[in-house]
Amino acid sequence: DAKTTQPPSMDCAEGRAANLPCNHSTISGNEYVYWYRQIHSQGPQYIIHGLKNNETNEMASLIITEDRKSSTLILPHATLRDTAVYYCIALKTSYDKVIFGPGTSLSVIP
Amino acid sequence: GAVVSQHPSWVICKSGTSVKIECRSLDFQATTMFWYRQFPKQSLMLMATSNEGSKATYEQGVEKDKFLINHASLTLSTLTVTSAHPEDSSFYICSAGGLAGGHEQFFGPGTRLTVL
Repeated sequence: DAKTTQPPSMDCAEGRAANLPCNHSTISGNEYVYWYRQIHSQGPQYIIHGLKNNETNEMASLIITEDRKSSTLILPHATLRDTAVYYCIALKTSYDKVIFGPGTSLSVIP
Repeated sequence: GAVVSQHPSWVICKSGTSVKIECRSLDFQATTMFWYRQFPKQSLMLMATSNEGSKATYEQGVEKDKFLINHASLTLSTLTVTSAHPEDSSFYICSAGGLAGGHEQFFGPGTRLTVL
């Protein structure tokens, strides 16, 4: 699976959009970009995934560049409950093992 | 989304005893389950891949005789920490894949193990 790189930490003001970048320059054509988040002392929570088109669901939007070498997770109106570690991962299928990097620790500030 | 449960949510045991942690997929059949370990302020570390009806595949550096994994049915995988020691104290998390038509893995809430 392709390696991903993310900034170690970010701050975001409550109510503003949080834009979390991820670099996956070695991603292959059949690998999806997945985003999970982990709130302290809980299991990771699935957020969204995409292959090459931009995606949106009730939690977030995912913007994937045309060359698929990077993507951005957007939380449109961050709340304090969005404070968590966010992980960007490249996977082919749900049967693939997930190798977690350090992720981005997002702090939403009142 | 699909639900994965873990039991117990936390456990405290004495050094030298064995502890069993259960991971269940509640509303789907999970042909593949994964076990992770997470130490404070660190990311999740994959320990092993568990396939229903076959032996688990362990990641490099994980002792298979110490961390026994059984995946006897499509909805249940168990991790047994044998002869636990204080350094085994950690947050253990399972995930399950294989939801028909879906791509994502679903993670359990985790089990906090403290070995005294």
